[in-house]
Amino acid sequence: QVQLVESGGGLVKPGGSLRLSCAASGFTFSDYYMSWIRQAPGKGLEWVSYISSSGSTIYYADSVKGRFTISRDNAKNSLYLQMNSLRAEDTAVYYCARVHSGWSLGYWGQGTLVTVSS
Amino acid sequence: QSVLTQPPSVSAAPGQKVTISCSGSSSNIGNNYVSWYQQLPGTAPKLLIYDNNKRPSGIPDRFSGSKSGTSATLGITGLQTGDEADYYCGTWDSSLSAGGVFGGGTKLTVL
Repeated sequence: QVQLVESGGGLVKPGGSLRLSCAASGFTFSDYYMSWIRQAPGKGLEWVSYISSSGSTIYYADSVKGRFTISRDNAKNSLYLQMNSLRAEDTAVYYCARVHSGWSLGYWGQGTLVTVSS
Repeated sequence: QSVLTQPPSVSAAPGQKVTISCSGSSSNIGNNYVSWYQQLPGTAPKLLIYDNNKRPSGIPDRFSGSKSGTSATLGITGLQTGDEADYYCGTWDSSLSAGGVFGGGTKLTVL
């Protein structure tokens, strides 16, 4: 069965960096586009970034452009999100998700919490 | 402020039907497929509807989706207490800042 497991979240000071990972299993990872979505405490969903199956096409939300970098290692069945220059407003649960059709997100991980605070 | 507009809350009695609206623009809903997600308390979102009106395997036909112009609607019939959740619409936005966009979410209460 499809499994997505995020890791790497934690407490970081403003201006700091963090790298999130998403380990995929139960499907051919290299066949699928992937995405990161976040949800601030008590708030709605916010799309963060999107990467094609080969990694050649990438999109970012304006709120993270220039600070976050999405990448993938198809040999390791893993998705990554490098987060630099973190701000308090980046505090959220970060989910990785597998694209189902078009842009829809068919499978989601359980999420990892990132807290940016001094 | 979300790009897509949803009502903050809806409610209905068990067994009844409810609809949740999602309004956007020509750069998003008007020219792209819409998907809908259910988020039960304390859990990750789950895909309910994709490509405007298709259901992934395992999603009961009590859930339906439709789209007209720059608006989309999620319908849920035969409401159950287990349907109490937050519901989000989502789509791609093809504007200069291309990317995914979500509605602000609708809290469904089954009275």
